[in-house]
Amino acid sequence: GQNIDQPTEMTATEGAIVQINCTYQTSGFNGLFWYQQHAGEAPTFLSYNVLDGLEEKGRFSSFLSRSKGYSYLLLKELQMKDSASYLCAVSKGGGNKLTFGTGTQLKVEL
Amino acid sequence: EAGVTQFPSHSVIEKGQTVTLRCDPISGHDNLYWYRRVMGKEIKFLLHFVKESKQDESGMPNNRFLAERTGGTYSTLKVQPAELEDSGVYFCASSQSYRRYNEQFFGPGTRLTVL
Repeated sequence: GQNIDQPTEMTATEGAIVQINCTYQTSGFNGLFWYQQHAGEAPTFLSYNVLDGLEEKGRFSSFLSRSKGYSYLLLKELQMKDSASYLCAVSKGGGNKLTFGTGTQLKVEL
Repeated sequence: EAGVTQFPSHSVIEKGQTVTLRCDPISGHDNLYWYRRVMGKEIKFLLHFVKESKQDESGMPNNRFLAERTGGTYSTLKVQPAELEDSGVYFCASSQSYRRYNEQFFGPGTRLTVL
C-alpha cells in the first residue's frame, strides 16, 4: 500500500524560510509532486522531482531522496499570499495516478 | 489557455437521489482523472481516462459511481443513489500524455453534500 506523511500545520513569519517535509512508502514510484492549494480553489502545481536532488524554481525548491523515501519543499522569502495548504503527492503506475498526503496547512504571519 | 472547469461548483442533494458532475479538461489533454477528498482526509484517486477509454478505475468506491467520457472530451461522474458517505469535494484533473513529467492540472472541484 501507500503511506504519505506530512505535518498537519506549520506557522512561519513573513520574509522567513520554511521547510515542509514529506515521507512516503509506496510500491512503484514515478516521481513526487508538490501542489499548493488555497481554500476553495484548485490545487496548483509547484514542483516535480523524479531523480534525487534539489529542483529550484524561484522562491520554491524541492528535494528528493528516493532511497530514504523523503522529500521536502522549501519556501524562501515568505509572503502572506503563501498561506495555503501544501500537498505532497507520489505519482505511480503507467497512468501516473497521484497518491496524496493529507496536506500541510501553512500560516504566514507578520 | 483555459483551465480545467467543473460543474456545478456546489451540489446539495438528499440521500437516495442522483447527481451528475461534469468536468471539462484542458483542450487537447488526453488524460483525465477524477479524485475525491472526503472531510478531514487526503485527496484520493478514483479513476483515469485516456481519451474515451477507462485506463484505471481501481479507486472507484462501488458500483453506485459511473464515469463516462464519450468522445474523449468532457467527462461526467454520476452517483446513483447517493449515500451520506459520498459527501466531499470531487476534483477533476487533466494532463498531456507527451509531457516529460505528466503534470496534472486540477479543476476547482465540486463540493457535494448528501443530506
